[in-house]
Amino acid sequence: EVQLVESGGGLVQPGGSLRLSCTASGLTLSDQYMDWVRQAPGKGLEWVGRSRIKAKNYTTEYAASVRGRFTISRDESKNSLYLQMTGLKSEDTAVYYCVRDGGKLGATAFDIWGQGTMITVSS
Amino acid sequence: AIQMTQSPSSLSASVGDRVTITCRASQDIRTDLSWYQQKPGKAPKVLIYAASTLQNGVPSKFSGSGSGTHFSLTISSLQPEDSATYYCLQDDGYPLTFGGGTKVEIK
Repeated sequence: EVQLVESGGGLVQPGGSLRLSCTASGLTLSDQYMDWVRQAPGKGLEWVGRSRIKAKNYTTEYAASVRGRFTISRDESKNSLYLQMTGLKSEDTAVYYCVRDGGKLGATAFDIWGQGTMITVSS
Repeated sequence: AIQMTQSPSSLSASVGDRVTITCRASQDIRTDLSWYQQKPGKAPKVLIYAASTLQNGVPSKFSGSGSGTHFSLTISSLQPEDSATYYCLQDDGYPLTFGGGTKVEIK
């Protein structure tokens, strides 16, 4: 079964840091475009960032709201994706989803989602 | 950033009704749009990508159309299990942006 499992969520103080992990089973992440999407409590979905495939050097894109504070990385040996978050703000409080873009021919289709992990930024 | 305006923000319809949700993009995004269904407490599920391509395993009662700046998702015959919030997502340019969502309820 193809699965993405996030971990690393929790309570953190404003200005603090946290690293989320997303471990895949049933698929090789190096061949996948991977994204992070978040959802604040009671709110809509917000795209956070993307990591391209290995053949594209795992280059990244970010939403303006997190650029310079969040970094997406990978560990091939662990078949894992990470979201390093620094300078956390209360508005970063959300459920964070790790997502596979399984679209064909250049189209985007977020077809595999993790279960989500909750980040609460509060003093 | 490309803005996605989704309407209505909520609707209530009866079982068997045909329901249409629209998304308007602030600029031409060709057919670089997908649709997602999210039920409470669950991760979203992709329904449509490339504006009109049905994702494998999704019932054919869901259909998507549009190009450029105007898109729509139609549920041909609403069923109780379709009660959910629906989102569009544009992937024509970075940052990717979601619509604000449409909450669909059953009367």
